[in-house]
Amino acid sequence: SQQGEEDPQALSIQEGENATMNCSYKTSINNLQWYRQNSGRGLVHLILIRSNEREKHSGRLRVTLDTSKKSSSLLITASRAADTASYFCATEYGGSYIPTFGRGTSLIVHP
Amino acid sequence: DGGITQSPKYLFRKEGQNVTLSCEQNLNHDAMYWYRQDPGQGLRLIYYSQIVNDFQKGDIAEGYSVSREKKESFPLTVTSAQKNPTAFYLCASSCWVLGEGEQETQYFGPGTRLLVL
Repeated sequence: SQQGEEDPQALSIQEGENATMNCSYKTSINNLQWYRQNSGRGLVHLILIRSNEREKHSGRLRVTLDTSKKSSSLLITASRAADTASYFCATEYGGSYIPTFGRGTSLIVHP
Repeated sequence: DGGITQSPKYLFRKEGQNVTLSCEQNLNHDAMYWYRQDPGQGLRLIYYSQIVNDFQKGDIAEGYSVSREKKESFPLTVTSAQKNPTAFYLCASSCWVLGEGEQETQYFGPGTRLLVL
C-alpha cells in the first residue's frame, strides 16, 4: 500500500531554475523523508523531517511539511544537470518504523 | 569502505528456476529490507528483518523467500512461484534501535536487475 504520492510525475526544467516537487499522504505521520535515485542505481537519502518540524534545509535543498494539509514539498534551488534523477518521498506512520515509498517524480534538468 | 553491496548487477532466470540475490552490509545495522521496483510503481516491500534469524513478510512476499543467518547478510530467493519476476531489486539496511544522533534513514545497495529468459 502506498502512503505518499509525489506530484508531478515528471518535471523538465532548464539549468539554473528552481525545481519544486510535492508529496501528499493520507494518514498522520511520524516523519517524512526524501530520497533521490539516479537511473539504474540505488536510492540516496536527502532529508528527514519530523512531524513536529515545518521546514529543513540542506545545501540547495529545502523541505517543508504541512501536517494540516498532509503534504510536503522539496525545493531544489539553482538546479544543475547533475540533479537529473527521480525523487521519492517516504513516510513512516503509526507504530511502523518502515518507510512507505511513493511512485516518485522524475526530474530532468537541461544544460 | 562502509556500505551495502548487492550482487550480481544483472541476473537472468530461466522459467522454473530459483535464483538468489545477494545483499551484504558492513554498517552494523540490525534491520535489512528487500524492495522490488517496477517502472512507474515506486518501491514495494518484499521482506524485512529486524534481527538475526527473524524476518517478516512485506506487501508482496508471495513467490519470494529470505534468510537472515548473519547480521551482515540478507539473501533473497526468487522462486519459480513468482510468475512475473522481471524487475529491479533493491536491498536496504537501517538502524532499528536508534543511537544518539542517528535517524531512521535507509541505506540502499546499487540494485540487481532480474530478467527472465
